[in-house]
Amino acid sequence: ETGVTQTPRHLVMGMTNKKSLKCEQHLGHNAMYWYKQSAKKPLELMFVYNFKEQTENNSVPSRFSPECPNSSHLFLHLHTLQPEDSALYLCASRLAGGADTQYFGPGTRLTVL
Amino acid sequence: GENVEQHPSTLSVQEGDSAVIKCTYSDSASNYFPWYKQELGKRPQLIIDIRSNVGEKKDQRIAVTLNKTAKHFSLHITETQPEDSAVYFCAAKNYGGSQGNLIFGKGTKLSVKP
Repeated sequence: ETGVTQTPRHLVMGMTNKKSLKCEQHLGHNAMYWYKQSAKKPLELMFVYNFKEQTENNSVPSRFSPECPNSSHLFLHLHTLQPEDSALYLCASRLAGGADTQYFGPGTRLTVL
Repeated sequence: GENVEQHPSTLSVQEGDSAVIKCTYSDSASNYFPWYKQELGKRPQLIIDIRSNVGEKKDQRIAVTLNKTAKHFSLHITETQPEDSAVYFCAAKNYGGSQGNLIFGKGTKLSVKP
């Protein structure tokens, strides 16, 4: 599937590093989401963008910084992360005002050493 | 805000048997309930969804039922096959925010034994 893509697929970083996750959707959607998926926990919504505007920040620590330059691209900038931030980070997109269905990307498996 | 509880957390069935996963939600204003399947190492994919104006929806071996009064909905898989083995997530659309966001259950790991 190529509707929603994420890069990199795997990332290992130290606590002092700065890295960025990228999400791109080719579905013509205008709402994009970042989720965190940890073992034995539900999918945790982190950020929501509608028409490039951030409409929700679900009490996410400031070491996670999202950026949405246009409706097709979404970034998650990471800095000074903690080991407990290790997780699968999933991007999703949806056509706001249309169907409620969210389409997920393959995720980035992040390991913080 | 919305809260979604999902049970069981793990479910093991023999091939050919039926599997049922149940979810409850707290916000009576929620009106959209999707189910996602996530195979190992893959992305969650929508398998079926239901809106609050219907009580049941079927798609081949998969069905979802909704009881608005009791605020619970269930996923039914009949004639299970080994390829049905995956983690299944239910969700409810929460209209607490400006656009309504999905609140997910914790997931059910389904194992279908051949």
